[in-house]
Amino acid sequence: DGGITQSPKYLFRKEGQNVTLSCEQNLNHDAMYWYRQDPGQGLRLIYYSQIVNDFQKGDIAEGYSVSREKKESFPLTVTSAQKNPTAFYLCASSTPGRSYGYTFGSGTRLTVV
Amino acid sequence: QQQVKQSPQSLIVQKGGIPIINCAYENTAFDYFPWYQQFPGKGPALLIAIRPDVSEKKEGRFTISFNKSAKQFSLHIMDSQPGDSATYFCAARAGSARQLTFGSGTQLTVLP
Repeated sequence: DGGITQSPKYLFRKEGQNVTLSCEQNLNHDAMYWYRQDPGQGLRLIYYSQIVNDFQKGDIAEGYSVSREKKESFPLTVTSAQKNPTAFYLCASSTPGRSYGYTFGSGTRLTVV
Repeated sequence: QQQVKQSPQSLIVQKGGIPIINCAYENTAFDYFPWYQQFPGKGPALLIAIRPDVSEKKEGRFTISFNKSAKQFSLHIMDSQPGDSATYFCAARAGSARQLTFGSGTQLTVLP
């Protein structure tokens, strides 16, 4: 079955540490996205990529970095510069078309310890 | 102009009731309006979507009503069940862009 796989499901980060969240899709989608969701809040766009080797900042990119070396993969690194990283992180993908929305992964919950 | 405003923030109904969630937009370039359903600890999943050339779309117990002149659209859940308790997001996309603009979400609780 095609879909998006995010790993790990839970991640704990120490102060000052960088961590990387994995996102892999086998849907052959061109575009991929990272969102942050805080409790009771909506979805805030961190980064997005429409093609391999190209990506753009979203609304809250500070303290995060991404790469898109392969069509299937769009890892997100939460750097030590992100002062409040505890949140639920969602990866999504889409393909161009009039009626295509997003397919989301199941999320990674990051907690600072 | 890129915002999608969603209301209410939370909603509690009795089983069998018809919760209604509303969204409004300003950008007339939006031409695709999906709704997503998210259960706790899970990613959102596409529930139903509509294009502005129709005023209503039904899929099972879920109905989208669309008012193009008012730039508003809403989700109705008929005969709501406790299993419908989730967070619902509306969204919109302009044809020239792949990126969705999301509403702020509505937390729905259906009491047994």
